[in-house]
Amino acid sequence: ILNVEQSPQSLHVQEGDSTNFTCSFPSSNFYALHWYRWETAKSPEALFVMTLNGDEKKKGRISATLNTKEGYSYLYIKGSQPEDSATYLCATPTGGFKTIFGAGTRLFVKA
Amino acid sequence: DADVTQTPRNRITKTGKRIMLECSQTKGHDRMYWYRQDPGLGLRLIYYSFDVKDINKGEISDGYSVSRQAQAKFSLSLESAIPNQTALYFCATSDPTQGPYNEQFFGPGTRLTVL
Repeated sequence: ILNVEQSPQSLHVQEGDSTNFTCSFPSSNFYALHWYRWETAKSPEALFVMTLNGDEKKKGRISATLNTKEGYSYLYIKGSQPEDSATYLCATPTGGFKTIFGAGTRLFVKA
Repeated sequence: DADVTQTPRNRITKTGKRIMLECSQTKGHDRMYWYRQDPGLGLRLIYYSFDVKDINKGEISDGYSVSRQAQAKFSLSLESAIPNQTALYFCATSDPTQGPYNEQFFGPGTRLTVL
């Protein structure tokens, strides 16, 4: 059974703080790693799709790294803003029809 | 307008009632999915459809059925709702022609409460 683990479960930071979360996934039969941003009452939206070991992606103040050999990805947010408050999901396709999702890290950024 | 829409957004119903959740998409994607999300758990796949004639069970299909009325529409039914089906339900689409492991595009979710 494949499991995707995310830590921490939730995180409270002050505006301006930089923060990071972890996504752990099975390193065997790896295809891709997805990060999604999910704001309450809205649709989860893809932030990054990462496929290669050592991949680094960046979108504004948010960046992500990927280590497929050891099975982890980090998501970094530099200078957190209140609008960054959301749940961040990671997921990995299994090569068939299924994508395994982690339970998410819920970020609260206080102004 | 949103590319993937779900109706209703919220629904409260009673045990034993039949409920239909609807999903429509304007992205032109062949693949559509229904997931449920429970607190503390990742999204779990209920059903998926790779085209109008192809419908498949996911990991938690018991108690659910689906209908793919057209490329753009994929409905989820609870034939006889029970309280442990209280959850947030998401519809999603994907386009494998853009890459086999590309991201999914989600609707805003339907919050269902079964009393």
